[in-house]
Amino acid sequence: AQSVTQLGSHVSVSEGALVLLRCNYSSSVPPYLFWYVQYPNQGLQLLLKYTTGATLVKGINGFEAEFKKSETSFHLTKPSAHMSDAAEYFCAVTLSRGGSNYKLTFGKGTLLTVNP
Amino acid sequence: DAGITQSPRHKVTETGTPVTLRCHQTENHRYMYWYRQDPGHGLRLIHYSYGVKDTDKGEVSDGYSVSRSKTEDFLLTLESATSSQTSVYFCAIGDLAGPLGDTQYFGPGTRLTVL
Repeated sequence: AQSVTQLGSHVSVSEGALVLLRCNYSSSVPPYLFWYVQYPNQGLQLLLKYTTGATLVKGINGFEAEFKKSETSFHLTKPSAHMSDAAEYFCAVTLSRGGSNYKLTFGKGTLLTVNP
Repeated sequence: DAGITQSPRHKVTETGTPVTLRCHQTENHRYMYWYRQDPGHGLRLIHYSYGVKDTDKGEVSDGYSVSRSKTEDFLLTLESATSSQTSVYFCAIGDLAGPLGDTQYFGPGTRLTVL
């Protein structure tokens, strides 16, 4: 089975401060991991993903995440928050590599607020 | 942006009526998905398709059915809508091949209200 847990349904930071959004996964085999962002009244868009290879993954808008197998974590970070980063962020996992069972399981989301 | 459209974008209906939502893609992706998004629950998978006429249930499939008669269209039907099905519905597409494989692309969503 695959599952993800996002710690903190709401995170608030000041503009310019470090952003840290936490995601832990549960799987019995190597996972593929994703972070998506959703701006108000829009669909989700991919920020970054880890499939294989380098464990530090860089995405769009200055975000990055590190896959840590020993901690079963895939936390999302950004060194300096910008007002435009205010959105809801979703972590997702899949164990499948195709076939009839290729689907993602999403966390419940973390709402990021950026204060001026 | 990936070519995904959803129709209608907004719908208000009454309890007990049938409702069909349409997802259309122009990317020729093999996989298509229907999710619902509710506060505190994130995105939950309703049904998905792994090819024409090939579909399977997700975690919240009760009260919903789907059909995929051609690659580009994936229909979600609420046979008899209930107030608990008031939600925002997202369609997503995905494929495994190429540099953008293993990524799902989302449509703009349909806001459904069941009175």
